[in-house]
Amino acid sequence: AQKVTQAQTEISVVEKEDVTLDCVYETRDTTYYLFWYKQPPSGELVFLIRRNSFDEQNEISGRYSWNFQKSTSSFNFTITASQVVDSAVYFCALSSRSSNYKLTFGKGTLLTVNP
Amino acid sequence: DVKVTQSSRYLVKRTGEKVFLECVQDMDHENMFWYRQDPGLGLRLIYFSYDVKMKEKGDIPEGYSVSREKKERFSLILESASTNQTSMYLCASSLGVLDYGYTFGSGTRLTVV
Repeated sequence: AQKVTQAQTEISVVEKEDVTLDCVYETRDTTYYLFWYKQPPSGELVFLIRRNSFDEQNEISGRYSWNFQKSTSSFNFTITASQVVDSAVYFCALSSRSSNYKLTFGKGTLLTVNP
Repeated sequence: DVKVTQSSRYLVKRTGEKVFLECVQDMDHENMFWYRQDPGLGLRLIYFSYDVKMKEKGDIPEGYSVSREKKERFSLILESASTNQTSMYLCASSLGVLDYGYTFGSGTRLTVV
């Protein structure tokens, strides 16, 4: 069985601080995909990034960056210079063959960015 | 952009009622999913479907059923609503398997009284 752990339930920061959201995963497959989603107060989950297990390059998109380390089974998400609009619940997720292609989500991290 | 539309944003139903939650996607996606989201529990998969008239149980199917008569529509049915089914329900669709992310609807917040 596969599993995604987001150990941080809630994080609160002040605007312009950097913040890292942790994600640790478990799977027995060698081919798998990792995802991050954002859920703002409006409720709709928004896709942020997809990363496959063969690509360990870190990725940067504006103020967002992702650090994928297979050695520690982690896929952490950093927001640089956080803004109030970043306040949301963030979910890490995993898809692999052993899960019959179903997406398994972590329990989410509630990020609050205060002005 | 693909859109996943859930018919109701908020619903209030009485215990014992039969409840239908509707979900429609407009991009010819093969796969559709129903999740419920509860505080502290994250997203839990109820049912999913990889094709018309096909359905498979997820992690928490008890008390629910689904229907997929057309490719674009995936309905979640609460046969006899109970208060412990009060939750946020999220529908999602995806084009392929394994390497495709899901596109989610805005959710239906169901309250059973």
